[in-house]
Amino acid sequence: SQTIHQWPATLVQPVGSPLSLECTVEGTSNPNLYWYRQAAGRGLQLLFYSVGIGQISSEVPQNLSASRPQDRQFILSSKKLLLSDSGFYLCAWSQWTAYEQYFGPGTRLTVT
Amino acid sequence: RKEVEQDPGPFNVPEGATVAFNCTYSNSASQSFFWYRQDCRKEPKLLMSVYSSGNEDGRFTAQLNRASQYISLLIRDSKLSDSATYLCVVRRYGGSQGNLIFGKGTKLSVKP
Repeated sequence: SQTIHQWPATLVQPVGSPLSLECTVEGTSNPNLYWYRQAAGRGLQLLFYSVGIGQISSEVPQNLSASRPQDRQFILSSKKLLLSDSGFYLCAWSQWTAYEQYFGPGTRLTVT
Repeated sequence: RKEVEQDPGPFNVPEGATVAFNCTYSNSASQSFFWYRQDCRKEPKLLMSVYSSGNEDGRFTAQLNRASQYISLLIRDSKLSDSATYLCVVRRYGGSQGNLIFGKGTKLSVKP
């Protein structure tokens, strides 16, 4: 069966510091991968998605970036965090033939 | 008008009650509809896909009304463990793999 991992589970970072969140998927090949953010009291916002290695589509312009160095690895980065970057970051995957998405456990980021 | 709208609730119901949630979507060309469940401070989990003819999974029944552009979720014989936020999700027609739109969710609290 498929499993999706995210780490770290929680993170507290000062404004202006860099960020790197990692997501890996097991048990499937060539998945579509997604990064979402859920701010307090708000819905899920799609940040990036990827249909293959090195292929990244950005949905919202911001100070975040994403990379997919391997088939089942997806990384979310920032060079300088803003207070507004605080939130619950979720990685998700889907089969390339289907639309249902499955989420990882998430990283709760607090920027201070 | 928001693309996907849900009553935020909370819906407070006793154990054993039947509860129904509605969700409306604005894009008449939308395809693929889903219900997700999100427990407090956890990741969303796929509850069920919604098919045109309606579908049932145990105590859960999902209905789609394309003419009125709404989706419903009916929970029968509510359990304490059903307490969660229920997210309505719509895929835009012709959208990319990244084009799932999440509602903000309806909170359900089942009391003993």
